[in-house]
Formats: sequence, C-alpha cells, structure tokens
Amino acid sequence: QQQVKQSPQSLIVQKGGISIINCAYENTAFDYFPWYQQFPGKGPALLIAIRPDVSEKKEGRFTISFNKSAKQFSLHIMDSQPGDSATYFCAAKAGTYKYIFGTGTRLKVLA
Amino acid sequence: GAVVSQHPSRVICKSGTSVKIECRSLDFQATTMFWYRQFPKQSLMLMATSNEGSKATYEQGVEKDKFLINHASLTLSTLTVTSAHPEDSSFYICSALLGVGELFFGEGSRLTVL
Repeated sequence: QQQVKQSPQSLIVQKGGISIINCAYENTAFDYFPWYQQFPGKGPALLIAIRPDVSEKKEGRFTISFNKSAKQFSLHIMDSQPGDSATYFCAAKAGTYKYIFGTGTRLKVLA
Repeated sequence: GAVVSQHPSRVICKSGTSVKIECRSLDFQATTMFWYRQFPKQSLMLMATSNEGSKATYEQGVEKDKFLINHASLTLSTLTVTSAHPEDSSFYICSALLGVGELFFGEGSRLTVL
C-alpha cells in the first residue's frame, strides 16, 4: 500500500517527441506528488510537483497530469530534447515527511 | 529552489578507515534531513532520517554502528561510514526538508573503498 509503481523502466524518444512516464499509488493519504530528474553522478533535482486538488500542472515543457480517482499521475515532457536524457523519479508524500519513491525511468532522447 | 550542498562529491579510502560526508542546507533551515544510498541504475534507498538535536531513525537493515549520523544544527547533517569496506562503496545522497514538505537533494557523494 505504501508503494509507488512507476513505468516504463526505460524510454527512448526521438527529439521533438513527447515523453510520458506514469506512476500509480494505493495510499489515499498521499498529499503531494513531486517528480525528480537525476543526471548520472548527480543528486535528484526537483522538477515539478502537484497536490491532489489539482488535475494538471504545467511548467514550461513539463506537465503533470493527476487522476485522483484512478490514483495515477504522469509526467509529460513536450518537445523532448537530448538534454532531457536522464532518470526520472516520481514520488508521493504522506504526512509531514514520509516520501515514497518510484523505481525510476531512464529516458533517452535521440538527436 | 532551495540549495543543499554535499561534500565531498568523491572520496576514495582504504578498507578499515572511516569517512565523513557532510550535508548542508545553504539557504534554509532543515529540521529534518535524510540519507539515501543508491546503487547503479536503481532507485533511492532510504537509510535514515536525521532530526536536528535528536538521534537519527534508521531504516530496517541499516547498521547504526556502521553509518553514524549526526544532525547537530539546523543546517548540517553528517554521515560517517565507520570501518569502511569495499561493499560500502556506493553513491550516498542526502536531502533536506523545506517547510511543509518540499524535499531537496544534495549532489551526492561517490564513496570508493579500496
């Protein structure tokens, strides 16, 4: 019940295409859903986040879609660029600071 | 976003020695910090939760005496890997909690034990 299931494990997208990464959860107590971007040899960086009272949030080329009834949320990267090639983690938070992370998606954007 | 600095970024040590990694929140105070270990191509494995002024809470299976955590101030937490062995070689990452729950990560520290 505490898990966050992330898919796909890896993703290859052509430059200019849309990258879509999905996460699903069970625990309805989760109240904050961030996405992190991690480059090799670096720590994860907060990319974008959403709270369950909002169905969509957009920041530049990055959009989170949130479906509360389905307990799913996804990250969409529009106009994907080679510089977006990284590992992406979804996460969910319950309570003050209990974070659960997805297993990660390795994105490769082909030039 | 808030900045969390981790030092050193890379460290190589001999087996049996101890290594200290520092995690600092540069522009905010962090009552709570976390330490993770990450294996190649895998997700973040939470090792312990560090609260300022109190003992750290370790996750199941993490040796308290091997991984000493100190959170002596609102901007600094340290992880000391004691009597390090090659199997302790890994990528260690800290994170700090800002306000009501945003989590910011350090740059990570690559530990190699020879």
